[in-house]
Amino acid sequence: SYVVTQPPSVSVAPGQTARITCVGNNIGSTSVHWYQQKPGQAPVLVVYDDSDRPSGIPERFSGSNSGNTATLTISRVEAGDEADYYCQVWDSTTDLLFGGGTKLTVL
Amino acid sequence: QVQLQESGPGLVTPSQTLSLTCTVSGDSISGGAYYWSWIRQHPGKGLEWIGYIYYSGSTYYNPSLKSRVTISVDTSKNQFSLRLSSVTAADTAVYYCARVVVGATQYFDYWGQGTLVTVSS
Repeated sequence: SYVVTQPPSVSVAPGQTARITCVGNNIGSTSVHWYQQKPGQAPVLVVYDDSDRPSGIPERFSGSNSGNTATLTISRVEAGDEADYYCQVWDSTTDLLFGGGTKLTVL
Repeated sequence: QVQLQESGPGLVTPSQTLSLTCTVSGDSISGGAYYWSWIRQHPGKGLEWIGYIYYSGSTYYNPSLKSRVTISVDTSKNQFSLRLSSVTAADTAVYYCARVVVGATQYFDYWGQGTLVTVSS
């Protein structure tokens, strides 16, 4: 079965750029979506269709997807960005699948 | 503003059936523009998609849970529901309902706040 893998944790200093990866076999051939989840809260969609942002999500959040790796990039990281981030994919062969999540720590 | 709200028992006895309802406001399930889904999150763990339903009643379930899951819809109440049978402690989780955008791909654009269900005697 298809598997998408995320690093368990990423740490970054405030003001720097955080990059969170989602690795899967030929993941570039499908769309990837990203969710932010803060403690005790429901997930929030921050990027869909690889690189589109829902209304209300800051431009600091961006995404890319090519080859075997999709990446969520958070520019000018703020303390409020500290959260768990999940990638999610779907196509007719993978079903609907989440990555294991990445804990972003703002140092 | 679309809102989803889960409701149901917070404690279920092992071997019994877990039942939850999601009430949708700000959108009409019968509008047919979206699917409606259940997702769960075990304590301290990641997200697991359970299944989804269309207003017509068409369903699709995670193969790993399919034998125990039933999702139904009541368009007159703008609600959809989850039933998970033969529960064990491994089914203890926060259960979320969510709206699913469908097309060339599928993703969740609105989520409920989640409800913790504990399986214990």
